[in-house]
Amino acid sequence: RKEVEQDPGPFNVPEGATVAFNCTYSNSASQSFFWYRQDCRKEPKLLMSVYSSGNEDGRFTAQLNRASQYISLLIRDSKLSDSATYLCVVRGGTSYGKLTFGQGTILTVHP
Amino acid sequence: EAGVAQSPRYKIIEKRQSVAFWCNPISGHATLYWYQQILGQGPKLLIQFQNNGVVDDSQLPKDRFSAERLKGVDSTLKIQPAKLEDSAVYLCASDPGGLKEQFFGPGTRLTVL
Repeated sequence: RKEVEQDPGPFNVPEGATVAFNCTYSNSASQSFFWYRQDCRKEPKLLMSVYSSGNEDGRFTAQLNRASQYISLLIRDSKLSDSATYLCVVRGGTSYGKLTFGQGTILTVHP
Repeated sequence: EAGVAQSPRYKIIEKRQSVAFWCNPISGHATLYWYQQILGQGPKLLIQFQNNGVVDDSQLPKDRFSAERLKGVDSTLKIQPAKLEDSAVYLCASDPGGLKEQFFGPGTRLTVL
């Protein structure tokens, strides 16, 4: 079983749609959780951290369920500029804990 | 603030040749990472440094890959000899330690022919 698993998609949605990505992780000792965004031929950049209480940043909402070891990202009112690969990322339990990336979910938003 | 710098941006070599990549992290960041990202996959950690000490190199193919971070600042990653399956983007990242955000460099795209 992979440490971090995502549905690779691709997701192809029209502008204005709501889209949700799911991710599961295998290490119950994981401490920190993130969604990164990676544009084509660019480096990954942090989109948002994910907290147990759930958190929102504009059109983006992230949720964490530690009991189920499940992370989600919801994008509302999709824009063309949201087209990218979204990487689910989990960090280990120590202060030196490494980041483990999922394989990424490809999103294409079309007019 | 300057970001993570990497060079070269692109490299094409033949199999069995050697290649080296360079990374300069964000000033003051104690932790430095090298990742390998194969097309269609997420980045995979190769090695993690805390200052100039290795914290995790469990996924580094040590028979051909080596890395160093002298003086706890710049780092180099070397492949010797390269194989076809080493074709990938090599990403360097740094963070100030703890559980803070990692910042990535633009990567080096390696093609092995």
